[in-house]
Amino acid sequence: MQLVQSGAEVKRPGASVKVACKASGFIFTDNNIHWVRQAPGQGLEWMGCINPHSGDTNNVQKFEGRVTLTRDTSIRTAYMELSRLTSDDTAVYYCAKRPPHDYAMDVWGQGTTVTVSS
Amino acid sequence: QSALTQPASVSGSPGQSITISCTGTSSDVSGYNYVSWYQQYPGKAPQVIIYDVDNRPSGVSNRFSASKSDNTASLTISRLRSEDEAHYYCCSFTNTNSLETVVFGGGTKLTVL
Repeated sequence: MQLVQSGAEVKRPGASVKVACKASGFIFTDNNIHWVRQAPGQGLEWMGCINPHSGDTNNVQKFEGRVTLTRDTSIRTAYMELSRLTSDDTAVYYCAKRPPHDYAMDVWGQGTTVTVSS
Repeated sequence: QSALTQPASVSGSPGQSITISCTGTSSDVSGYNYVSWYQQYPGKAPQVIIYDVDNRPSGVSNRFSASKSDNTASLTISRLRSEDEAHYYCCSFTNTNSLETVVFGGGTKLTVL
């Protein structure tokens, strides 16, 4: 089982970034995909999750509509798009999956570094 | 939803045991039996070491154990080893009747002296 994320990104303030998370080795539509970020030297922050089967999403209100979670089941890939970037969004972004019958994130992607700088 | 509360740091000597606490509320820790714990080394992705309060995934050492009482979950690491030095995060899944919500603790840095 594996989640492989897209590569590092450097963005200007105000821009958007879209991170991909490709799944392999498990039934993609049976596992909710979560997105977690970690700012430099800080702890883990949950951003939201998507049910790949239904497409239903649940996002943290903190991001005030800046986060969009989508998926493409034909290529077993989940996406996290974050808009109106500021320097506070500089972080490593992780995707992780929750298996169908347990409540934990059992497989994590390698992380995608997003740097927001003018 | 506020973050769960963990001590910023704990330390212990090889062979000793340490416990990391994780305090939440009735809306998360005490309301659901879905507390998990993650170990994270610098520059690496977190790895789950405990799920559903006190279950160890296959391959995780039995030196790791966990429990929950009221609003506080606890992770105990027995017979400390140098490789246990890492950050540890607790996590609670909530609202599991619909698409779940997750809250993490602030993380605890474990130093093995």
